[in-house]
Order: sequence, then structure tokens, then C-alpha cells
Amino acid sequence: GAVVSQHPSRVICKSGTSVKIECRSLDFQATTMFWYRQFPKKSLMLMATSNEGSKATYEQGVEKDKFLINHASLTLSTLTVTSAHPEDSSFYICSARDVRILNTEAFFGQGTRLTVV
Amino acid sequence: AQKVTQAQTEISVVEKEDVTLDCVYETRDTTYYLFWYKQPPSGELVFLIRRNSFDEQNEISGRYSWNFQKSTSSFNFTITASQVVDSAVYFCALTPEGGGNKLTFGTGTQLKVEL
Repeated sequence: GAVVSQHPSRVICKSGTSVKIECRSLDFQATTMFWYRQFPKKSLMLMATSNEGSKATYEQGVEKDKFLINHASLTLSTLTVTSAHPEDSSFYICSARDVRILNTEAFFGQGTRLTVV
Repeated sequence: AQKVTQAQTEISVVEKEDVTLDCVYETRDTTYYLFWYKQPPSGELVFLIRRNSFDEQNEISGRYSWNFQKSTSSFNFTITASQVVDSAVYFCALTPEGGGNKLTFGTGTQLKVEL
């Protein structure tokens, strides 16, 4: 199946700093990517839909200024957690859809475990 | 609004036992897709199956089988002869047709398979 690469897999940062997470589709083009967040022992909650060349669509309750999403190319979307605080510590995972194939399964990245200290 | 319910929070079985993970969903869409994913301790999501709402045939893949009952809005997952490597969190998920794989996940079922 298609490959989605997410980097970094783990990051520890100090409170108040910003962290950028990358999501790349390695062998296909993705006009749309999705960012999910997962708290420990909880389900995955959709944060936002990343659209290539346009603004991301955020789910209700997700702070746009806190979680900056950029989808500058057909193979890369980035999520920047700005001014991170301990409550932002979580597992973030992206998924991407191959534009050439209708209704295919979502391909997920490996996830990023963020710890803010 | 869509909703996926996995009522079983945690299941423990002994190796070689069969185990069924339940999934009940709610949607107003007439066409939709259902998924099962496995999440091992490392965190990545491993795709297991995708099922179109018009296809109610049960599916078997090795030790895995799925029972889709549209009449009861259920999409249950059975592991036959479970193994320790099956230990993981399993998520059921739903997306409407054209949803671009914008998934609504259930809360997951933690499966522990012990020797």
C-alpha cells in the first residue's frame, strides 16, 4: 500500500517553544491530509483537514493559532504546535489520501509522540 | 452526525482462544465505509479492513474475520486462535462516501492475549 512518513516519531520540548511535525506521502500525491490527536488510552480525534494550496479546516474546539497547519505541496503537510504547554503532550498522527484512487483506505503515518516539559 | 461505539474497553484472553471485538455505528449516510485498525504499543495504525456499506458479505482473512450486519449497524471483528502478537488496541472507524477518509473512530478495545 501507499506509504505515509511522519517525522519526528518522538519529540520532547520545553514549555513555550514550538514544534513542527511533518507528514509526507512518499509514493503518491495527496491533496488532502488529516491530522489526528490521541490522548493516552483514548481514541483518535480529528483535529483538522489539511488542503494543499489552501487553508486548513479545523474541527470545533481546535485552536487554529495553536496548531498551525501548512500544506504547501502535494506530498507534504506540516503541523506546528506553537508555544507548547504540558497539556499539548499527546500522540499526533496524520493520514493521507491518494487523489488517484476513489474511496481508498486512509494511509497513516507512524505518529509523533510529543512530550512538553 | 456519526458515531462509533466500541463498548468493550478491555478484553483479556488466553492464547488460542477466539475473541470477538464489537463495533456499533450510527450514521445518516446511505453510503459509507467502515474500517478496522490495529494499534500496537509502538503507536502506528495498521490497516486491517475497509468495507463498503453496500457489501454485507462477511470476510475472512487468515485468522481474522468480519461480520457486517447492516440491520443492526454492527461490524464485528473476530480473531480465531488468538496469539500474543495480537495484543494491541483495535479501533473501528467510519467515514461517509466522499468523506475523503475523514474518519470517526470508536474508543478502541484493548486486547490482551496471554500465554
